[in-house]
Amino acid sequence: QKEVEQDPGPLSVPEGAIVSLNCTYSNSAFQYFMWYRQYSRKGPELLMYTYSSGNKEDGRFTAQVDKSSKYISLFIRDSQPSDSATYLCAMDTNAGGTSYGKLTFGQGTILTVHP
Amino acid sequence: NAGVTQTPKFRVLKTGQSMTLLCAQDMNHEYMYWYRQDPGMGLRLIHYSVGEGTTAKGEVPDGYNVSRLKKQNFLLGLESAAPSQTSVYFCASSYSSSKGEQFFGPGTRLTVL
Repeated sequence: QKEVEQDPGPLSVPEGAIVSLNCTYSNSAFQYFMWYRQYSRKGPELLMYTYSSGNKEDGRFTAQVDKSSKYISLFIRDSQPSDSATYLCAMDTNAGGTSYGKLTFGQGTILTVHP
Repeated sequence: NAGVTQTPKFRVLKTGQSMTLLCAQDMNHEYMYWYRQDPGMGLRLIHYSVGEGTTAKGEVPDGYNVSRLKKQNFLLGLESAAPSQTSVYFCASSYSSSKGEQFFGPGTRLTVL
């Protein structure tokens, strides 16, 4: 069993839809949770970062972490065609500390938003 | 400010050949990483470095070697390429105090025939 599980999709939604992307994990030592966005044939870039449980909002994006359920989510409101990309969740046990910033990634979900 | 750059962008090798992938960053980051990305597998860490002259194994290190002789450069070597090493390789870097933010290069697409 992988430490981090993510539904690879693909997920196809109409423009304006609310998108929900999810990851589950098994390692209770994860404390830092990230979402990276990767456009086709590009490197990933950090989209959202959260520490421990709770919500974080940035424009149309909301990241949620539920440590008790070992479940994280990324919501995209009013989705746009420019949101079409692969979304990767990533986790760290101790950012910058003894884990040396090593991240554990999910498999990535391919999202297509069509006009 | 170029960020993280990777050389080459594409390469085709025959089984048994060797090659070196070069990663360079101009952000003065302490930490550097090499990942491979395969369909349905996400990003898997091959090797990483926490400073000049240091290297350590990641999740999938077999068949690869690395060196970090200068802080800004991180080299990934394949001594005897195998078809199983066909993949897209990404280099990333970060500050030692970074809260999970890694900066990625554009990737190298490697095919081993």
